[in-house]
Amino acid sequence: GDSVTQMEGPVTLSEEAFLTINCTYTATGYPSLFWYVQYPGEGLQLLLKATKADDKGSNKGFEATYRKETTSFHLEKGSVQVSDSAVYFCALTGTGRRALTFGSGTRLQVQP
Amino acid sequence: DGGITQSPKYLFRKEGQNVTLSCEQNLNHDAMYWYRQDPGQGLRLIYYSQIVNDFQKGDIAEGYSVSREKKESFPLTVTSAQKNPTAFYLCASSIDPGTSGGRDTQYFGPGTRLTVL
Repeated sequence: GDSVTQMEGPVTLSEEAFLTINCTYTATGYPSLFWYVQYPGEGLQLLLKATKADDKGSNKGFEATYRKETTSFHLEKGSVQVSDSAVYFCALTGTGRRALTFGSGTRLQVQP
Repeated sequence: DGGITQSPKYLFRKEGQNVTLSCEQNLNHDAMYWYRQDPGQGLRLIYYSQIVNDFQKGDIAEGYSVSREKKESFPLTVTSAQKNPTAFYLCASSIDPGTSGGRDTQYFGPGTRLTVL
């Protein structure tokens, strides 16, 4: 079945540092790929998405590129802020069941 | 404003009781979903519905039931058969789960935190 693997956290960075959160996936066909962000006590917010190979999703300074050859969708940001502290989830919708398959989440802590 | 609402935000249940969590959307989305989140873990699919009057079990459906009588509403009942129901429950919806190109993008409600006393 489909699966998503993302790096374990927590990831602790200083403000203005560069962020990478790794995400790899296993799926048949051509899944859509997503990054969601969850702030404490809240639901999930869509951060960005990519629906086909080589697409780059971007939002609020975050970027991720759909790499089919390496089955990856790594999240990057050039300069993190304290307000970026949250849990980040990588997810996909496969060609079979259309519900989301999630990674386990990566907690990001940004220190001033 | 269009969106997904879940109520209540916090819910307490005694052992042996059934409880129903509400999920409403005014986005005119066809598909709706229920996920469960346990501390420090990702989300797991409980049930999903691609169209009114139809729904399918997800990965952890035992002890849960749903209905989809209206397009806007997808309530989840946590029954007494669910052995460990304390968790954060999230509802989501998407335009059309049968296609890609972004129409399968899921949008989430704010969640309901259920605690069994």
